[in-house]
Amino acid sequence: SQQGEEDPQALSIQEGENATMNCSYKTSINNLQWYRQNSGRGLVHLILIRSNEREKHSGRLRVTLDTSKKSSSLLITASRAADTASYFCATDSDRGSTLGRLYFGRGTQLTVWP
Amino acid sequence: GAGVSQSPRYKVAKRGQDVALRCDPISGHVSLFWYQQALGQGPEFLTYFQNEAQLDKSGLPSDRFFAERPEGSVSTLKIQRTQQEDSAVYLCASSLWTRDRGRSATNEKLFFGSGTQLSVL
Repeated sequence: SQQGEEDPQALSIQEGENATMNCSYKTSINNLQWYRQNSGRGLVHLILIRSNEREKHSGRLRVTLDTSKKSSSLLITASRAADTASYFCATDSDRGSTLGRLYFGRGTQLTVWP
Repeated sequence: GAGVSQSPRYKVAKRGQDVALRCDPISGHVSLFWYQQALGQGPEFLTYFQNEAQLDKSGLPSDRFFAERPEGSVSTLKIQRTQQEDSAVYLCASSLWTRDRGRSATNEKLFFGSGTQLSVL
């Protein structure tokens, strides 16, 4: 399976602290994306990083990608209670037969306490 | 509409019953995906449409699952003779990406609906 795996499975922090989540995957990719899911809702796209990029920023989000280690990290700075959600990494495939589908990990459940 | 719309929001079915789940993608989005999300897990790919063509159905778990998108917009996921193991959230997503861009193409971001939570008793 090409499914990414997030680490840790659960993370609990105080407001204002930074939250770091990691993702590892198994095969070569074109891009890696991070999504957020609030309880009982669909997933919301956060950021996409391409395989030739090493770091990307979007507001309080910072994503890194190390293709040699097949890993990525998502950093949320100055966290807020509203950041409480599950975070998933998703990888695509560079194989023609499976182009178009994304492979999701099990997610990291982030809880930010006020 | 402004986003991907799915209905019903919740569906309770007796084992053996047939169900139909509807997805209304964002207008103009060529690609449509169905994913299944079990409790505490990440979404798992089921099937992919480009316009009305079903280009990938390799994720459908059995021949009881059938999806269609006859006019290239609204899609329906049908599950026949539901089993308890079919209980999950079924997510629909759409995007502007198309497979025609070739092997160098990258999948643009997906826009997800809120899902249909299916409970089979």
